Order: sequence, then C-alpha cells, then structure tokens
Amino acid sequence: KQEVTQIPAALSVPEGENLVLNCSFTDSAIYNLQWFRQDPGKGLTSLLLIQSSQREQTSGRLNASLDKSSGRSTLYIAASQPGDSATYLCAVRRTVSDKLIFGTGTRLQVFP
Amino acid sequence: DTGVSQDPRHKITKRGQNVTFRCDPISEHNRLYWYRQTLGQGPEFLTYFQNEAQLEKSRLLSDRFSAERPKGSFSTLEIQRTEQGDSAMYLCASSLPGLENTIYFGEGSWLTVV
Repeated sequence: KQEVTQIPAALSVPEGENLVLNCSFTDSAIYNLQWFRQDPGKGLTSLLLIQSSQREQTSGRLNASLDKSSGRSTLYIAASQPGDSATYLCAVRRTVSDKLIFGTGTRLQVFP
Repeated sequence: DTGVSQDPRHKITKRGQNVTFRCDPISEHNRLYWYRQTLGQGPEFLTYFQNEAQLEKSRLLSDRFSAERPKGSFSTLEIQRTEQGDSAMYLCASSLPGLENTIYFGEGSWLTVV
C-alpha cells in the first residue's frame, strides 16, 4: 500500500529564507509526483509535476526534485515571501491506478 | 480556460438530508475525479471518470454516495442520508487523458452536517 509522508508538518520562517519541504513515499512504482499549494479553505493549485523519468522541475522560485529509487521528493523555495504562506501538499500518481495519493501537507508560514 | 468549477461552495445541511454537488471540468478534459478532504488531512480519492464511464470507486464511497457524469461533461456527487462524519470538503479535479498530464483541482465544496 502506497503511503506518502511529509516532513515537517509545520514550518515558520522569516521572509527571505530559502527552505526545503520533504516528501517521502513507500512504493517506488509511481508514474509521477505533483506538488500543490493550498490556501486556507481553498482548493489545490498545481505547482510542479515531475515525471518518474525526470530528476527535477523548476518554476520561478520553486524547484522540485525526485529520487524515485529512494522514494523521496523535495520542494525548494528560494527567497521566501509572506505570500508563500500556505499548506504544501505532495501527491504521487500510481502506475496501476489513475489516482493521486496525498501526504498530509506542510503548513508554511513566512513572516515579514 | 475557466478552470474547474464547483457548486455550491458551501452547504450546511441537517443530518439525514440529501445533498448534491456539481462539478464542471476544464473543457476538453475527459478525466474527472472526486476527492474528499477533512481538516488537517490530505485529500482522499473517491472516484474517477473517463468521459461518462466511472472507472474506479474507493471503498470510502459507501452506498450512500453516488457519482454520475451522464454526458461526459459535468459531474454530480450525491450524498444520501447525510451523517456528521460526511462533513468535509469535496474536491473535484480534471485532466487530459494520460497519466503524464497535470491534474487540476477546483475550489472545493464545503459540507457541514449538523
């Protein structure tokens, strides 16, 4: 059974810091991994999608890496801003079934 | 591209009542998904469609839950005889066919059962 874990559960940092969010999964038979952002009471916004054959993806200040063999992904946020405050969720898409398995998220607060 | 649209955004209902949520996917997305999310948890898969065919249902989807996508466009999720444990946010998502494509989510429908 695929399980997805995100560490830390919560993170509070001052503006300007570079930070790393971690995601681990137990079954390496994934098709891809997607990182999402969720603001309180809102839906999910897709940030980055990494295919299983890729090592990393970048979008602006965000960089996501994937090490499928070790079951790990990281989301790197450069020069954090208060507007980055949100919950960040990772989800793996399995090869045997078209559904996303989510972690419980990392709640990020960036203070001025 | 107007995004995935869900209606209503909020619903408060009394225990035992039926509720129905509607989802309009991004046009040309033939895959449509329903997820449920409770506070502090990640979303959990409920079911998904390819066009009008319901291809998979989670064990979370008890016999009180039914989802339809009659013409392969919008979808409805109905909950009959609601229970307090059904209180959650119900998220709809859509994507183009193929596992390599991004899944896009709507803003969700909040359900509170009192």
